[in-house]
Amino acid sequence: EAGVAQSPRYKIIEKRQSVAFWCNPISGHATLYWYQQILGQGPKLLIQFQNNGVVDDSQLPKDRFSAERLKGVDSTLKIQPAKLEDSAVYLCASSQRRSGYTFGSGTRLTVV
Amino acid sequence: GIQVEQSPPDLILQEGANSTLRCNFSDSVNNLQWFHQNPWGQLINLFYIPSGTKQNGRLSATTVATERYSLLYISSSQTTDSGVYFCAVVNRDDKIIFGKGTRLHILP
Repeated sequence: EAGVAQSPRYKIIEKRQSVAFWCNPISGHATLYWYQQILGQGPKLLIQFQNNGVVDDSQLPKDRFSAERLKGVDSTLKIQPAKLEDSAVYLCASSQRRSGYTFGSGTRLTVV
Repeated sequence: GIQVEQSPPDLILQEGANSTLRCNFSDSVNNLQWFHQNPWGQLINLFYIPSGTKQNGRLSATTVATERYSLLYISSSQTTDSGVYFCAVVNRDDKIIFGKGTRLHILP
């Protein structure tokens, strides 16, 4: 089966600019997650979707971050405006109950 | 919430050596997975192992759910095994919690 697809792989932007990331989960996986991983740390959950509804966005900085999952399939994560501390790898994962999580390759964001 | 502790935090081994990585968790979990994050940042699923023992080539894992720990064994280490190994558990609310990882460095 195809894995979780993410794009772009790398992005460099200046602070205060906007950026968007895209994720296509494994076909049939109802749950989709966005994680932020800062260098040297474990991944931190930003938002969890069940189909196209938000289950948990308690750690999403809503003043600058937004995410949507239209039609319960693909998802986009947006940062507007970006800050230097947003430099991180943004990982998308999908899961189906009792089959575990599968992560995409991630998008490495550098804010300068 | 559930605490996930991994040990050791860092491990340096010579190629060919064996290693054991440990993951302790503080409460009952619905799921446990081991991931390998390679030097390019990709998180690769190694085992989905809420209980029992599984083996895949040189790697094997054992989870003793009643005692709230899991072990990852790597035999005959290769330089490509280098990277960070994460243990992640899923609690009753279907939230995934990661440990801080074990950074493994295999010397040629």
